[in-house]
Amino acid sequence: QKEVEQDPGPLSVPEGAIVSLNCTYSNSAFQYFMWYRQYSRKGPELLMYTYSSGNKEDGRFTAQVDKSSKYISLFIRDSQPSDSATYLCAMSAWNDYKLSFGAGTTVTVRA
Amino acid sequence: NAGVTQTPKFQVLKTGQSMTLQCAQDMNHEYMSWYRQDPGMGLRLIHYSVGAGITDQGEVPNGYNVSRSTTEDFPLRLLSAAPSQTSVYFCASSYSGQADTQYFGPGTRLTVL
Repeated sequence: QKEVEQDPGPLSVPEGAIVSLNCTYSNSAFQYFMWYRQYSRKGPELLMYTYSSGNKEDGRFTAQVDKSSKYISLFIRDSQPSDSATYLCAMSAWNDYKLSFGAGTTVTVRA
Repeated sequence: NAGVTQTPKFQVLKTGQSMTLQCAQDMNHEYMSWYRQDPGMGLRLIHYSVGAGITDQGEVPNGYNVSRSTTEDFPLRLLSAAPSQTSVYFCASSYSGQADTQYFGPGTRLTVL
């Protein structure tokens, strides 16, 4: 079983819809939770960063972490065609040598 | 700042050939790492370095070597290429480690025939 499981998608939504992305994990030591966005044939770039449990909002993006359920989510409101990309969740324990990534969910927002 | 740069962008090798993927960063980051990305597998750590002269293995180190002689450069060497090493390779850097924001390069697409 993988340490981090991510809904594989792909997701296709109309412009303006809410996009919901999720990951589950098995390592209870994870404390740092991130979402990276990767456009086609580009390197990933950090989108959201959350430490421990709770919610974080940045513009149209909201990240949620529920450590009791070992579940994290990313919501994109008022989605735009420019949001079309692959979204990767990533997480790490304190002082860990590596980030554990989900496999990624590819999202297409239709104009 | 150029950020993280990688060369080449594309490469085709025959089984058994060796090559070096280049990675450089101009942000004075201590931490650098190499990942490979395969469909359905996400990003997997190959090797990492916490500073010049210090390297260590990640999840999937077999068949790869690294060295870190300067803060800026972190080359990845394929010793004897195998078809299983066909992948997209990303170099990343950060100020202080894996829990810090990772800055990724544009990637190298490698095909081994």
